[in-house]
Amino acid sequence: GAGVSQSPRYKVAKRGQDVALRCDPISGHVSLFWYQQALGQGPEFLTYFQNEAQLDKSGLPSDRFFAERPEGSVSTLKIQRTQQEDSAVYLCASSSRASGGTFTDTQYFGPGTRLTVL
Amino acid sequence: AQRVTQPEKLLSVFKGAPVELKCNYSYSGSPELFWYVQYSRQRLQLLLRHISRESIKGFTADLNKGETSFHLKKPFAQEEDSAMYYCALSDQAGTALIFGKGTTLSVSS
Repeated sequence: GAGVSQSPRYKVAKRGQDVALRCDPISGHVSLFWYQQALGQGPEFLTYFQNEAQLDKSGLPSDRFFAERPEGSVSTLKIQRTQQEDSAVYLCASSSRASGGTFTDTQYFGPGTRLTVL
Repeated sequence: AQRVTQPEKLLSVFKGAPVELKCNYSYSGSPELFWYVQYSRQRLQLLLRHISRESIKGFTADLNKGETSFHLKKPFAQEEDSAMYYCALSDQAGTALIFGKGTTLSVSS
């Protein structure tokens, strides 16, 4: 079956614009994660969904960042009033089980969306 | 604070040489440790995890709790091993992964 998909793959925004990044997880996957990867860095956690519930948003860097997963499948990461420091690759990952089990389920990553803010 | 450190940004070896990519972590509990790999123009994918204690593509990694390390090793590197390697940690709740900054492995003939 298809893996995690993300769109758009590339996005260029002018400073101050709002952007919306989409993630289609693997069908049936309960858990969905968003990560931000700046140039030369490893991915950094932004937020986590279990079905439609956003259980952890501790990694969102400011209130300009907002994520939703209203029907427990597709998720959207929205960034309002983009700033140059928002330029990064945004990765989405999904896993089949919920958190809290005896071990961590494998996370499957999408190709990422490269956001460039001018 | 939880942290993963990969001290080498780039590791260059010749084909057939042994490889060791270093990973150290700081975590107060009993974490799960992973190695993820990203080949050129491909997405990030799981290579191996410490609880599986398996060898994938000839790579192994042993969790050393005393030294808080999870180094990735392969006795004989191949050119197709050239990629970016990330060490990652997860707490037992199994939610977010904490990644190191990554090490680029370059294997030349």
